[in-house]
Amino acid sequence: QKEVEQNSGPLSVPEGAIASLNCTYSDRGSQSFFWYRQYSGKSPELIMFIYSNGDKEDGRFTAQLNKASQYVSLLIRDSQPSDSATYLCAVTMPGGYGNKLVFGAGTILRVKS
Amino acid sequence: GAGVSQSPSNKVTEKGKDVELRCDPISGHTALYWYRQSLGQGLEFLIYFQGNSAPDKSGLPSDRFSAERTGGSVSTLTIQRTQQEDSAVYLCASSGGSNQPQHFGDGTRLSIL
Repeated sequence: QKEVEQNSGPLSVPEGAIASLNCTYSDRGSQSFFWYRQYSGKSPELIMFIYSNGDKEDGRFTAQLNKASQYVSLLIRDSQPSDSATYLCAVTMPGGYGNKLVFGAGTILRVKS
Repeated sequence: GAGVSQSPSNKVTEKGKDVELRCDPISGHTALYWYRQSLGQGLEFLIYFQGNSAPDKSGLPSDRFSAERTGGSVSTLTIQRTQQEDSAVYLCASSGGSNQPQHFGDGTRLSIL
């Protein structure tokens, strides 16, 4: 089992719809969870982070965390063509030296106008 | 404030040559990561520095790769006797410590002829 798993996609949604991106992780001890957006040819950009169970909203983005199910998701409301990118889930893994951050392989999102 | 700075932004070299890639993290950030990303692929973890602890080198693909971090700040990734498969974008990220978000530099695009 991979430490952080994401569906590679592509996930296609029409403009204005809600995009739902999902991520599961292997270690129950993980404490910190991050979502990054990466446009083609660019470096990853942090868009959300969440530490506690439940929802965290920031503008059109909502991160959802369920530690019991080892599941974290990102909802993008009113999706825009400019949201088309690869979305990377990242989770800190306990142990070792200070909670190494582990990335999933990413989900490609395509928003069609 | 200044973000993570990487240099050079592009590097073209001949097979068999050694290369050095530099990363200047955000001031005060104790954690520093190096990743490699080949075209169309996910992030491949290379090495992780956290404060004064011994680095986590578990991602280095071969003994041709090494990295150091001087004075807890600037880091250099060295690739000896480069091979064509080393061609990729090399990304550096820093964070304020465990459980803190990582911030990425713009990367160094390495091309081995």
